[in-house]
Amino acid sequence: ELKVEQNPLFLSMQEGKNYTIYCNYSTTSDRLYWYRQDPGKSLESLFVLLSNGAVKQEGRLMASLDTKARLSTLHITAAVHDLSATYFCAVDMWNYGGATNKLIFGTGTLLAVQP
Amino acid sequence: EPEVTQTPSHQVTQMGQEVILRCVPISNHLYFYWYRQILGQKVEFLVSFYNNEISEKSEIFDDQFSVERPDGSNFTLKIRSTKLEDSAMYFCASKGGEAFFGQGTRLTVV
Repeated sequence: ELKVEQNPLFLSMQEGKNYTIYCNYSTTSDRLYWYRQDPGKSLESLFVLLSNGAVKQEGRLMASLDTKARLSTLHITAAVHDLSATYFCAVDMWNYGGATNKLIFGTGTLLAVQP
Repeated sequence: EPEVTQTPSHQVTQMGQEVILRCVPISNHLYFYWYRQILGQKVEFLVSFYNNEISEKSEIFDDQFSVERPDGSNFTLKIRSTKLEDSAMYFCASKGGEAFFGQGTRLTVV
């Protein structure tokens, strides 16, 4: 069974600082998503990474994917309070031609950015 | 931009009652999913649906649950005889290349 682990589970950081959230997974996949979730809300898609070496950036967030290491990172640059939320990675169990085609979510990282 | 629509946004039901959660996936997508998130916990896979039948289901998706695509557009999750522990946010998703999630239905069983 695929395992998707994020660390840290909780991250308290000061505004203006940089930090990285890690997402490790245990089986082959070349597609990975990052989502943001505010309390009581739905999953907001941040990034879709579709190949090894993919890097995407949006504002203060940058995501990358290393399929050989089975690792994705979400890097936060110069954090601001508005980034406070829970961040999930989700590995796409893409099985070409097959019916197994689900996303498996990581444990989530609760990010609290302090002024 | 295409979106997945879920109704209702919030449902309160008494223990033992049946509920139906509804989803309208993106029209040209072929794969449909239900996920569950208990408050403060991770997002858990329940079931996937492809070619008008269940393609995979998790251990959570027992005989209490069923899914249907009754009219070629809607995609429903039925929970029979709800229990307190069924209280959660339920997300529908559909997938063509990329997966898109609906806004969720918050189910509260009292």
